[in-house]
Amino acid sequence: DAKTTQPNSMESNEEEPVHLPCNHSTISGTDYIHWYRQLPSQGPEYVIHGLTSNVNNRMASLAIAEDRKSSTLILHRATLRDAAVYYCIPFRANSKLTFGKGITLSVRP
Amino acid sequence: GEEVAQTPKHLVRGEGQKAKLYCAPIKGHSYVFWYQQVLKNEFKFLISFQNENVFDETGMPKERFSAKCLPNSPCSLEIQATKLEDSAVYFCASSQGQGAYYGYTFGSGTRLTVV
Repeated sequence: DAKTTQPNSMESNEEEPVHLPCNHSTISGTDYIHWYRQLPSQGPEYVIHGLTSNVNNRMASLAIAEDRKSSTLILHRATLRDAAVYYCIPFRANSKLTFGKGITLSVRP
Repeated sequence: GEEVAQTPKHLVRGEGQKAKLYCAPIKGHSYVFWYQQVLKNEFKFLISFQNENVFDETGMPKERFSAKCLPNSPCSLEIQATKLEDSAVYFCASSQGQGAYYGYTFGSGTRLTVV
């Protein structure tokens, strides 16, 4: 499995954009990049995933570097409900989702 | 339904007792996964199923843990003779497919406390 490096924590202000970085320099060509988050006392929640192109959905945007060695999850307007641990996970076909330490996002009112 | 239903939400067992956890995957999802979260931010994969067949059991402690997914029944994870170290939150997830193209949908977990 490709290794990932994420900062331990990040703070943001409510209603401002948040950019959560992830380095995955050992990613293979067939690994998708998945992002999940875990809100307090809940199960992990799928956020977004992509392979090469940038992706948008109702929750977030995913910007993938051209060399695919890093990606950034973008929350366009952070809310208090977005405070969670965010996991960046390179995910290969026929393997399983493997969680790292993640990044803890705090949102200030 | 569109959610993965896990029961019970909380389970307390004395050391040495049996614990059984249940998971109803999303209808139409053919893959089921079990994870154990002992400490915050640390997940351990246990086992996965494709329909009723074991797909990957590389994370399962063989001696006391077993799991099943039978047709028309919730999947189950059973721990015989629980130990204090089994105290954790156990999450079940389901997916339309095994490949990385599909995301996983997780349940809200069962918190097992062994006393």
